[in-house]
Amino acid sequence: AQTVTQSQPEMSVQEAETVTLSCTYDTSESDYYLFWYKQPPSRQMILVIRQEAYKQQNATENRFSVNFQKAAKSFSLKISDSQLGDAAMYFCAYRSWYNNNDMRFGAGTRLTVKP
Amino acid sequence: EAGVAQSPRYKIIEKRQSVAFWCNPISGHATLYWYQQILGQGPKLLIQFQNNGVVDDSQLPKDRFSAERLKGVDSTLKIQPAKLEDSAVYLCASLTGGRSYNEQFFGPGTRLTVL
Repeated sequence: AQTVTQSQPEMSVQEAETVTLSCTYDTSESDYYLFWYKQPPSRQMILVIRQEAYKQQNATENRFSVNFQKAAKSFSLKISDSQLGDAAMYFCAYRSWYNNNDMRFGAGTRLTVKP
Repeated sequence: EAGVAQSPRYKIIEKRQSVAFWCNPISGHATLYWYQQILGQGPKLLIQFQNNGVVDDSQLPKDRFSAERLKGVDSTLKIQPAKLEDSAVYLCASLTGGRSYNEQFFGPGTRLTVL
């Protein structure tokens, strides 16, 4: 079974600086999706960035980028120029290419942004 | 377009009472999910519907939880009777369905506290 591990329960970053959130996963599948979701306090979960496993190029969305290392089964999120609004829980998630209902989430990392 | 709607946003009940949650997915989304998110953990899938049929309910505690999606649109999740360990946020999510990639959208969740 696929598992997703986020080893950093909490992280903090100074406003305008860069922070990297870690995620590792375990799977025997060769095709899958990886996601980072953001969940602000008392607000709904939104998709930050997505990576298809067959793509070698790391995904980028404005200030958010990933470092996808397929062989190492690692998928970290880098947030550049951190803003106060980036403060939230961040969840790493895995979804099977073959099975839309097989979505696994990590335990989350709480990111604090200091002014 | 309107997002995934859920109600109520908050609910406090005593153990052994019953409770029901409602979800209205994004219009046209055939696939609907219910997740349970216990404090400090990532969301865990409870049940997945494709239109009005159940695709996966392997992690639904069927002795006390039930869910339905009678007309393939709105869905309700019921707990009867509730236990203390059911305290969690219940998230509803939907996507269009189909084999190609499509994004899963989440509702704001219902925070349940069982006393």
